[in-house]
Amino acid sequence: GAVVSQHPSRVICKSGTSVKIECRSLDFQATTMFWYRQFPKQSLMLMATSNEGSKATYEQGVEKDKFLINHASLTLSTLTVTSAHPEDSSFYICSAGPGTGRRFGDTQYFGPGTRLTVL
Amino acid sequence: AQTVTQSQPEMSVQEAETVTLSCTYDTSENNYYLFWYKQPPSRQMILVIRQEAYKQQNATENRFSVNFQKAAKSFSLKISDSQLGDTAMYFCAFMTNNNNDMRFGAGTRLTVKP
Repeated sequence: GAVVSQHPSRVICKSGTSVKIECRSLDFQATTMFWYRQFPKQSLMLMATSNEGSKATYEQGVEKDKFLINHASLTLSTLTVTSAHPEDSSFYICSAGPGTGRRFGDTQYFGPGTRLTVL
Repeated sequence: AQTVTQSQPEMSVQEAETVTLSCTYDTSENNYYLFWYKQPPSRQMILVIRQEAYKQQNATENRFSVNFQKAAKSFSLKISDSQLGDTAMYFCAFMTNNNNDMRFGAGTRLTVKP
């Protein structure tokens, strides 16, 4: 199956700093990438949908100025948590799909996640 | 809005036995897709099985099969011959035909006991 990577896998930062998380589709080109947030022992909550070359679509309640998403190419999307605070500490997961030329409803492939801890 | 409900927060099963995880969903769409994902302790999301709503035949992948009841909006996962490696969180997920964003249920933590 297709592979999606995330970097870094873990990051610890001080309150007030910004953190960038990268999501890459390694062996396919994805028209769309998604960013999820997962709190301990909870489900995945969709934060935003990222389409290559256009602005991301944010879910209700997600601050677009706090969680900046850039999807510069068909294989890379980045999530920047700006002015991070302890309440932003969470597990962030990206997914990619469908591949270019594929239809909606095709399988999404998930990255391994990034654990963010804000001190 | 689409919602996905998993009513079993935790389940356990003896190794080699069969277990069924429940999932119901609510939607006004006619065309959609349903998924079961597994999240082991590594937290990597792994696709277990996928069902297209317009297909009446239940999807099967080796020891994993689903019971898809479209009228009842039910999509349960059956795991046969459970193995220790099946221990994980299992998430039911829904995707419409209009876009590719996925909505997840709250998850069921499955423990396979030796």
